[in-house]
Amino acid sequence: DTAVSQTPKYLVTQMGNDKSIKCEQNLGHDTMYWYKQDSKKFLKIMFSYNNKELIINETVPNRFSPKSPDKAHLNLHINSLELGDSAVYFCASSLTGGDSPLHFGNGTRLTVT
Amino acid sequence: DQQVKQNSPSLSVQEGRISILNCDYTNSMFDYFLWYKKYPAEGPTFLISISSIKDKNEDGRFTVFLNKSAKHLSLHIVPSQPGDSAVYFCATHSSGTYKYIFGTGTRLKVLA
Repeated sequence: DTAVSQTPKYLVTQMGNDKSIKCEQNLGHDTMYWYKQDSKKFLKIMFSYNNKELIINETVPNRFSPKSPDKAHLNLHINSLELGDSAVYFCASSLTGGDSPLHFGNGTRLTVT
Repeated sequence: DQQVKQNSPSLSVQEGRISILNCDYTNSMFDYFLWYKKYPAEGPTFLISISSIKDKNEDGRFTVFLNKSAKHLSLHIVPSQPGDSAVYFCATHSSGTYKYIFGTGTRLKVLA
């Protein structure tokens, strides 16, 4: 009955490869997010989708492409992986409108070698 | 430019005593504030929140205080328990936006 689940939990790959991370939420939320936690442990927003529409696109290289097939799913595809992409990526979801906390998945630790 | 800061990277407290975690923000448009707890290899877990129309919100052992004039937020945990040992993040956003901004985190260690 995991609320926000993301797969895989660990991802080790070589530079130049393309990889995807998947996220699903069963909370009935209509907004989903990708956050990146870097080596300094800062949590920074990357993207947000509301009802399958992109509403936040921070300064992220266009090698990163989010896709939301429906409001319960938000995937992240990364092309041409670089060493600096190594980080923990967290998916989250929330309800729109009013004060609604984010609910996070357990993260995907991406290591690019 | 860090809009939300937690100036203490770490804090150690004896079991049973009060833990006080602090957070400062710069943007007066922020009007919803949250605290999250994070264990290693897990995602942040929502703890407690407060709207800018309030100055205090309590939930069991956790109380959040908001001082809007000082742009300061604090989380009090009393009594502290060893299971509270984790990294705590404050977060905030402006109403009508979806952009939640997180602080840099404070690692709390509760000593048995």
